[in-house]
Amino acid sequence: TQLLEQSPQFLSIQEGENLTVYCNSSSVFSSLQWYRQEPGEGPVLLVTVVTGGEVKKLKRLTFQFGDARKDSSLHITAAQPGDTGLYLCAVHNAGNMLTFGGGTRLMVKP
Amino acid sequence: EAQVTQNPRYLITVTGKKLTVTCSQNMNHEYMSWYRQDPGLGLRQIYYSMNVEVTDKGDVPEGYKVSRKEKRNFPLILESPSPNQTSLYFCASSWDARNNEQFFGPGTRLTVL
Repeated sequence: TQLLEQSPQFLSIQEGENLTVYCNSSSVFSSLQWYRQEPGEGPVLLVTVVTGGEVKKLKRLTFQFGDARKDSSLHITAAQPGDTGLYLCAVHNAGNMLTFGGGTRLMVKP
Repeated sequence: EAQVTQNPRYLITVTGKKLTVTCSQNMNHEYMSWYRQDPGLGLRQIYYSMNVEVTDKGDVPEGYKVSRKEKRNFPLILESPSPNQTSLYFCASSWDARNNEQFFGPGTRLTVL
């Protein structure tokens, strides 16, 4: 069992649709990060959430950290083809290690 | 330009032939780490380094070695590669371990025959 479970694993939608992806765990974390990875590149940080219940917005992306700091969600409004990529959540645990979830692969069709 | 560089970007080798993947960052970051990425498994941390001469095992260290003799460089060494080490490898750096953005290199695709 992975420390971070991301769902869904794959998501294919049409341009303009809304979507939500999830990152869940049974453990409590002091912070959680979301990254996006495009084909052929390394992941790039989107946001870090640190407070239970925190909501952060990045243009059409809304990130929420669960009240108990065990889970997080990423909501995309009016998805565009440029949003296509692999979305990864990550947490620091067990000292100074960084653990990633398995990722959600999103494809937005024009 | 602030960046993390890795070399080579692509490598095909044979079982047992020692290889080194280099990683260098120009941001004066203290924390550096190596990950491997496999389908369905996300990124798994191999080794990390908090600073010069300080390295620690991540989730999947078996079959790998690292060194941190200088702040900017963090090479990954495979003494005797095996086919199960075929993967996409990423080096990353950040100011420190906590809550900071990890800057990733472009990746090294390794195939071990």
